[in-house]
Amino acid sequence: AQSVTQLDSQVPVFEEAPVELRCNYSSSVSVYLFWYVQYPNQGLQLLLKYLSGSTLVKGINGFEAEFNKSQTSFHLRKPSVHISDTAEYFCAVSLPIYNQGGKLIFGQGTELSVKP
Amino acid sequence: GAVVSQHPSRVICKSGTSVKIECRSLDFQATTMFWYRQFPKQSLMLMATSNEGSKATYEQGVEKDKFLINHASLTLSTLTVTSAHPEDSSFYICSARASAPTDRFGVRAGELFFGEGSRLTVL
Repeated sequence: AQSVTQLDSQVPVFEEAPVELRCNYSSSVSVYLFWYVQYPNQGLQLLLKYLSGSTLVKGINGFEAEFNKSQTSFHLRKPSVHISDTAEYFCAVSLPIYNQGGKLIFGQGTELSVKP
Repeated sequence: GAVVSQHPSRVICKSGTSVKIECRSLDFQATTMFWYRQFPKQSLMLMATSNEGSKATYEQGVEKDKFLINHASLTLSTLTVTSAHPEDSSFYICSARASAPTDRFGVRAGELFFGEGSRLTVL
């Protein structure tokens, strides 16, 4: 079975400071990795994804993440956050599409709170 | 970009009634759709995988007679919460996986898109 652990439930940070949201995963088979952002009472927006290739993945809104296979991690980073980055962030893993339709399993979420 | 539409976005119903939530892929076909529920301040929990033309696959612990899923076409899946009770109040989110590439909006086969969610409140 696959599982995702987001190590921090809440991350407070000041505006323009760097931030890292941590994510570790567990799987006995190869998986794909994702980060999503959710604003209050809204659906999910894809920030970035790792399918294969370069382990450093760049996404939207200045976010990036690095896949580390040996540490089974996929931490999300941004060098300088804005107030508008305040939201809930979810790390997720999925199986390949041919395996159970490629269903997504989500971590518990990390609430990023950016303060002025 | 490609859109997945959920309807209704908000619904309030009385205890004991049934509520149907629709999930439509507007710009692409999706043989597979997923239904999630999310309680306040919590993560998304996968309820079931909806497959066009066949029975849904439910996750462990999800009552299939309580949460009826129908995926009758390549662009529509429905979730019906039967005999709803206050504990069923939640945010329900669907996602649709594109089953074929489409030139419109550059959708690639296999891409996953999420709806905006439906908030169910059972009184």
